[in-house]
Amino acid sequence: GESVGLHLPTLSVQEGDNSIINCAYSNSASDYFIWYKQESGKGPQFIIDIRSNMDKRQGQRVTVLLNKTVKHLSLQIAATQPGDSAVYFCAENSGGYQKVTFGIGTKLQVIP
Amino acid sequence: GAVVSQHPSRVICKSGTSVKIECRSLDFQATTMFWYRQFPKQSLMLMATSNEGSKATYEQGVEKDKFLINHASLTLSTLTVTSAHPEDSSFYICSARGVKETQYFGPGTRLLVL
Repeated sequence: GESVGLHLPTLSVQEGDNSIINCAYSNSASDYFIWYKQESGKGPQFIIDIRSNMDKRQGQRVTVLLNKTVKHLSLQIAATQPGDSAVYFCAENSGGYQKVTFGIGTKLQVIP
Repeated sequence: GAVVSQHPSRVICKSGTSVKIECRSLDFQATTMFWYRQFPKQSLMLMATSNEGSKATYEQGVEKDKFLINHASLTLSTLTVTSAHPEDSSFYICSARGVKETQYFGPGTRLLVL
């Protein structure tokens, strides 16, 4: 599916709380998913990825969950810190890993 | 981790001129490079995919004669915006992929066309 440019939804979280950022994807053929973090004026930064043969993967303070039945992806950030404030994009790899399609993005605001 | 650089980081040009943006993979060989455009408060939109030594594949709606892409080596790709107009003002971001699937992104180039 194609991602469409829209105004970004915003998630506000208190510092120290856990954050959950959700993403719906449209291409059922996608088999590799990535979460990126983008700070203002910078390029996206790789956070974590997951293949379609998995439903959960953990990193440092982050966990990605994949539900292929409903085509849903989520990113959980534990003990959210002010430095986590950024826009988070989910991305799906389709076409034999040739290109990545980005989702709308979610702006995470951490309240000190 | 893999590092991708872009040059320049920002450029201001007059309408009608051409602008070249470089994308380099600094510590790995990039078999494939991608060019994206991002407007304020919007997501990244893929413009084209380029493989070293072959012609770029452009996404629907992207004019290949306006956005010239050259991927002459495994570490360098260039995007030239020809006859730039104010509506071309945007944030241009490249990414590079090596032997694994993960794409690593450059820091972006902000283009302002007056």
